[in-house]
Amino acid sequence: DAGVTQSPTHLIKTRGQQVTLRCSPKSGHDTVSWYQQALGQGPQFIFQYYEEEERQRGNFPDRFSGHQFPNYSSELNVNALLLGDSALYLCASSSPSNEQFFGPGTRLTVL
Amino acid sequence: GNSVTQMEGPVTLSEEAFLTINCTYTATGYPSLFWYVQYPGEGLQLLLKATKADDKGSNKGFEATYRKETTSFHLEKGSVQVSDSAVYFCALSEWGGAQKLVFGQGTRLTINP
Repeated sequence: DAGVTQSPTHLIKTRGQQVTLRCSPKSGHDTVSWYQQALGQGPQFIFQYYEEEERQRGNFPDRFSGHQFPNYSSELNVNALLLGDSALYLCASSSPSNEQFFGPGTRLTVL
Repeated sequence: GNSVTQMEGPVTLSEEAFLTINCTYTATGYPSLFWYVQYPGEGLQLLLKATKADDKGSNKGFEATYRKETTSFHLEKGSVQVSDSAVYFCALSEWGGAQKLVFGQGTRLTINP
């Protein structure tokens, strides 16, 4: 059983560009959450998707948007990249009553 | 808002030493509490959890007890191994593990042989 997968593993972008990160949840999971982990910090909640709708959102600007597809996979989009967006982006999947399982993350570097 | 505070690291111990990593929280209601571990280059793995006051979570020799009176969830292990070297995160969730997690800043643990 494959766990949570994320792509790409690493990504380098320049300021002002746009980026799309992808996540496939663990089999049987229908809820996907995204977190941003800056270097040396704990993960910060961005948002959560369930039934293709954004269910919860953290304190992130509208430049951060997402989508969930009918097969429960998800994308995280970040527009107008800033240097401060450089971080490890973690995807986590869950079913409504269970704990979250995390993927290995996508390391985004903004130059 | 909800928050989690962990003891500052890094923490360096010798193999077979006793480990305590302190964690305190601020939350409304009755949150669920978690410890996650992050090995180098990997995502987070759930280590243990507790969902109500006085519950003890345990896994791989690690333990933590949900103390509502002191709003704490300290992580302990009686005898650490080199393979326990990692970053440990305390976290809470208001409505169970599937909901938004609020993390502490993490504690880097290094175990020397």
